[in-house]
Amino acid sequence: QVTLKESGPGILQPSQTLSLTCTFSGFSLSTYGMGVGWIRQPSGKGLEWLANIWWDDDKYYNPSLKNRLTISKDTSNNQAFLKITNVDTADTATYYCARILWAHFDYWGQGVMVTVSS
Amino acid sequence: DVVLTQTPSTLSATIGQSVSISCRSSQSLLDSAGNTYLYWYLQRPGQSPQLLIYLVSNLGSGVPNRFSGSGSGTDFTLKISGVEAEDLGVYYCMQATHAPWTFGGGTKLELK
Repeated sequence: QVTLKESGPGILQPSQTLSLTCTFSGFSLSTYGMGVGWIRQPSGKGLEWLANIWWDDDKYYNPSLKNRLTISKDTSNNQAFLKITNVDTADTATYYCARILWAHFDYWGQGVMVTVSS
Repeated sequence: DVVLTQTPSTLSATIGQSVSISCRSSQSLLDSAGNTYLYWYLQRPGQSPQLLIYLVSNLGSGVPNRFSGSGSGTDFTLKISGVEAEDLGVYYCMQATHAPWTFGGGTKLELK
């Protein structure tokens, strides 16, 4: 059974760095073809893809967030991470991690709400 | 970036009615290897998205066969043959042929 769960700080201030953790089970990020992606959704709005990391440590980022994103993984502990630097109120959203099987998200976590506020 | 335009933005249906949602891409989603990376997701109220259709027309695991996907190139359709109450929510198409991966704006399916 594949499960993913996101965790994060809940609330942070503008200009801080957002650190998110995705803890998963039921698959391994060392398996050929597997990956984990991050997607966010502001309240009442649509989905925005942020970044993917693959079994071979290949990484892909959404260029719209320029150089603010860093994705990483800890294969032995079944975790993936996302950092977003220099946050502002526009980064307020629910953040999801999802398993990637080849080129799509087949299982999603429940999401974690993040609020950026001074 | 590839822009996916979904129509309609809101769809009102009665239980048992068949409905279709369109997803039009600003570029062809057919890659050089002959694959089309177009997917459909449903996000029920208060829940995370779930996969319905992968690679245009393949049913996701556990997805009822009243859902079907079709299309090619730049025009794709999700059809629900006989809406049930559990189908209410927001439907998104997503493409993974071109980087960055992008989602459509969503189609909200509500009860008439």
